[in-house]
Amino acid sequence: EAGVTQFPSHSVIEKGQTVTLRCDPISGHDNLYWYRRVMGKEIKFLLHFVKESKQDESGMPNNRFLAERTGGTYSTLKVQPAELEDSGVYFCASSQSGQGMETQYFGPGTRLLVL
Amino acid sequence: GNSVTQMEGPVTLSEEAFLTINCTYTATGYPSLFWYVQYPGEGLQLLLKATKADDKGSNKGFEATYRKETTSFHLEKGSVQVSDSAVYFCALSGDWSGSEKLVFGKGTKLTVNP
Repeated sequence: EAGVTQFPSHSVIEKGQTVTLRCDPISGHDNLYWYRRVMGKEIKFLLHFVKESKQDESGMPNNRFLAERTGGTYSTLKVQPAELEDSGVYFCASSQSGQGMETQYFGPGTRLLVL
Repeated sequence: GNSVTQMEGPVTLSEEAFLTINCTYTATGYPSLFWYVQYPGEGLQLLLKATKADDKGSNKGFEATYRKETTSFHLEKGSVQVSDSAVYFCALSGDWSGSEKLVFGKGTKLTVNP
């Protein structure tokens, strides 16, 4: 079974440009999460999809970030326009729906560097 | 809000040494507790978890016990190997709001020398 995949693995862009990150969850997983680790700090939650619906987007830093999950399969996270402080590693995770805390499986992350 | 505090790294040990990485948490309700590991060049992997007080999670020789009275979930291994070199993250999830998002500590980098 394929794990969570993310694309691209690395992205280097200039301030003011747009970047779109993609996450493909494990097949059949309804829950999809985005997290971010800024250098030297904790991994922080950004948002949670259940199928195509945003269940919790309390961690989205500002309106320059837009996440979508059309059709309830893969998800994209767009940053427009990118700022220097957006640099970091963006992780995606997925889990099955269940009655308790289901294990979240993480992708390898996308390293974003904004110059 | 919920938070996780884990010991600052980096930690450097010799092979076969005993490992402890401390983790304490602050949370409303009764969270589940996790240790994730990130090996060089790879993504986060779940190492072990515990869902209620006094539960012990274990995997690959690592253990952690959910201590509600001390709000702790310390990671231990009796004899580390070079292959255990990685970054270890303590995390919690689940509170009174029913949120499933993970709250992480800052991570502890472990280097094991032969």
